[in-house]
Amino acid sequence: DQQVKQNSPSLSVQEGRISILNCDYTNSMFDYFLWYKKYPAEGPTFLISISSIKDKNEDGRFTVFLNKSAKHLSLHIVPSQPGDSAVYFCAASNFNKFYFGSGTKLNVKP
Amino acid sequence: GAVVSQHPSRVICKSGTSVKIECRSLDFQATTMFWYRQFPKQSLMLMATSNEGSKATYEQGVEKDKFLINHASLTLSTLTVTSAHPEDSSFYICSASRGPVDTQYFGPGTRLTVL
Repeated sequence: DQQVKQNSPSLSVQEGRISILNCDYTNSMFDYFLWYKKYPAEGPTFLISISSIKDKNEDGRFTVFLNKSAKHLSLHIVPSQPGDSAVYFCAASNFNKFYFGSGTKLNVKP
Repeated sequence: GAVVSQHPSRVICKSGTSVKIECRSLDFQATTMFWYRQFPKQSLMLMATSNEGSKATYEQGVEKDKFLINHASLTLSTLTVTSAHPEDSSFYICSASRGPVDTQYFGPGTRLTVL
């Protein structure tokens, strides 16, 4: 039973436009949410996080939005750059046990 | 950010042999280390959590006698896949954190192929 889902396996965006990656979860006990970026043959790299007491967290070009009533979070990247092309995993945490989505492969076209 | 290394990055072995994968935190002391497994096009699946100096906690469905985890120091954890079989072929990733509720920093992963 997958508690964290990323329903879009891939996303293609033009350079300079906004990339929106979505993630849904089922467990209302999750209290911390994170996004990781992963390049091929490398481990995930932490990108941005949000606590369940907030609904938005911004860091430069990256913004994470949390909608607890819908059990949905999203990552916005604006403007998108070709170097952003990677697989993005969302993760949800409860007592520091992480549950990952299956990832969305983002391709930013020059 | 913190640096976590894994060795080897890639290993190919024969069925029935054992393989050891090392995970090291290079610039911080990792009280807690995690081991994940990733199948193609699937999410990272937590296998076990280990705290330095104590036994690892395994997730449901993970055989602790098959996947031996040792976290003997604050900078090193090892995962040994015993009597490996082709179905154990996967991408294994470790992560390390300063404490149970701190951010996890991931290693680059190890690609295991069992023939």
